[in-house]
Amino acid sequence: GIQVEQSPPDLILQEGANSTLRCNFSDSVNNLQWFHQNPWGQLINLFYIPSGTKQNGRLSATTVATDRYSLLYISSSQTPDSGVYFCAVQGGGADGLTFGKGTHLIIQP
Amino acid sequence: DGGITQSPKYLFRKEGQNVTLSCEQNLNHDAMYWYRQDPGQGLRLIYYSQIVNDFQKGDIAEGYSVSREKKESFPLTVTSAQKNPTAFYLCASSIDPGNNSPLHFGNGTRLTVT
Repeated sequence: GIQVEQSPPDLILQEGANSTLRCNFSDSVNNLQWFHQNPWGQLINLFYIPSGTKQNGRLSATTVATDRYSLLYISSSQTPDSGVYFCAVQGGGADGLTFGKGTHLIIQP
Repeated sequence: DGGITQSPKYLFRKEGQNVTLSCEQNLNHDAMYWYRQDPGQGLRLIYYSQIVNDFQKGDIAEGYSVSREKKESFPLTVTSAQKNPTAFYLCASSIDPGNNSPLHFGNGTRLTVT
């Protein structure tokens, strides 16, 4: 099946800093989504982005499908941004999303 | 408000007992999914359903069973055959059973089996 690798696995930043999270995948995809899991386990869908660029407030994402990677940008980080960010992809033959292991982000005040 | 409701939030069971986790959605979504999350890991797909009265095995279906008798409901039973049932279970839904729609999650059920 398709492999998903996220980097870095852990990231500690001060409030106000910017960050870039990366997601590499091993095969062509027709579905790619970014999620944020807060410390209570709740998963929030940030972006549905199989290709191109999207922005939502301080967050933006870019997927370059031909090169098999996606980037999530967080600008002016705030403490509520802390948590785990997951990338999940779906290839042509699969019927469900395959998740990476996530990037654990800690924003310190 | 529309959303996905999972209950209970925490569940404790003795080894050898079957247990059923509830998932209800009022989003009128066609597709529903069950994922399992272990500490420090990503999510793994257990079962999914694209339409009422139909469901498919995911990557780790052994020891689990599901039903989809109504569009709104997709309960998961963790049977005694599941060797490591302690985990965080997440239910999700999407409006479109194809590949074109975002996935939305419930708040999860933490199952502990001793």
